[in-house]
Amino acid sequence: DTAVSQTPKYLVTQMGNDKSIKCEQNLGHDTMYWYKQDSKKFLKIMFSYNNKELIINETVPNRFSPKSPDKAHLNLHINSLELGDSAVYFCASSHSGGGTDTQYFGPGTRLTVL
Amino acid sequence: RKEVEQDPGPFNVPEGATVAFNCTYSNSASQSFFWYRQDCRKEPKLLMSVYSSGNEDGRFTAQLNRASQYISLLIRDSKLSDSATYLCVVKERGSTLGRLYFGRGTQLTVWP
Repeated sequence: DTAVSQTPKYLVTQMGNDKSIKCEQNLGHDTMYWYKQDSKKFLKIMFSYNNKELIINETVPNRFSPKSPDKAHLNLHINSLELGDSAVYFCASSHSGGGTDTQYFGPGTRLTVL
Repeated sequence: RKEVEQDPGPFNVPEGATVAFNCTYSNSASQSFFWYRQDCRKEPKLLMSVYSSGNEDGRFTAQLNRASQYISLLIRDSKLSDSATYLCVVKERGSTLGRLYFGRGTQLTVWP
């Protein structure tokens, strides 16, 4: 009965590799997000999709490419990983409209680039 | 300039204490305000929304001062389980759907 799930939970990889993180929500929400939380705990939005359409695309390197195959899934692919990509990546979802802005977060993916 | 600023703490208080956190935001057009809680190595979770008239949820009281662009969270009768990082969160009026700005968080440790 997990609401927002992410896989993998931990990811350790070498510089230069390509990796993907998957996110799924079963809340029936129409908007999904990717956030990055760095070592200083600052949580910053990277991307947001509403009904599979990209609506927020922050200034992130184009090595990061989100993909939303359907409203319940938002995956993040990262090419040519760099040391500075090490962080915790959180997926989140929410329901647009309806007077609520509550975002529900997944458990996070802790990425370590060596 | 950061959108949302918080005192990072840490705040270390004994059980039963009252503790208050403050937060300021830079954009006067901000529309919605929230406090999220993040436990160590866990995801953020909504603690409460903050309304203009102030609101209370059990031991937690949130206040908003739009003129000063200031938000506060008061925790009364602190419990050990209140130990966490508290994130001040702001949504701007007219902002892209669902876009939230997070403060860096204020760390609270409640000791027995």
